[in-house]
Amino acid sequence: DAKTTQPNSMESNEEEPVHLPCNHSTISGTDYIHWYRQLPSQGPEYVIHGLTSNVNNRMASLAIAEDRKSSTLILHRATLRDAAVYYCILRDVLASTGANSKLTFGKGITLSVRP
Amino acid sequence: NAGVMQNPRHLVRRRGQEARLRCSPVKGHSHVYWYRQLPEEGLKFMVYLQKENIIDESGMPKERFSAEFPKEGPSILRIQQVVRGDSAAYFCASSPYGAGRGFDYGYTFGSGTRLTVV
Repeated sequence: DAKTTQPNSMESNEEEPVHLPCNHSTISGTDYIHWYRQLPSQGPEYVIHGLTSNVNNRMASLAIAEDRKSSTLILHRATLRDAAVYYCILRDVLASTGANSKLTFGKGITLSVRP
Repeated sequence: NAGVMQNPRHLVRRRGQEARLRCSPVKGHSHVYWYRQLPEEGLKFMVYLQKENIIDESGMPKERFSAEFPKEGPSILRIQQVVRGDSAAYFCASSPYGAGRGFDYGYTFGSGTRLTVV
């Protein structure tokens, strides 16, 4: 899997939008961009994924740069419950072997939300 | 809510005992992944199984660890002769599809089993 680069941490204020950046300059044409988050003492939780176009769901929006070398996870209105580690992960969906099916987690970005 | 069910949530074992961790995937999901998270560290892939088959075990320690996903029943991660270094949170994830299909999907993770070796 191609590597991603994220800041170590970010702080935000409650009820304000949050933009979490991710760089993936070596992304290939068949790499999907995934975001997961892990709240304290819980398992990872799927947030969103996309390939080329921006994506929206009930949790967040994913903005993908035109050259696909970076992306931004957008939380439209942060709440205290959004404080978590957010992981940006690439996965090649045309990987021909099952061994390439796994998600590889990096260190992620720790989001703190101030009341 | 038919999510991924892991049990037990907490498991305490003495050094040298065996630990068995169970994972029931989302109904209809035939692909299971196990991850380990040591204290203050990131999630590390251990093994990927599809019903009755181990697809990728590149993250499994060579000794004492084994995993299975039988035709019927949950996936089991088994740790024999546990040592203090095995203390960690073990997470299971499931998905409906495997690799190479040309589209992508999210994993569903369980809440994990926290193993403490005393």
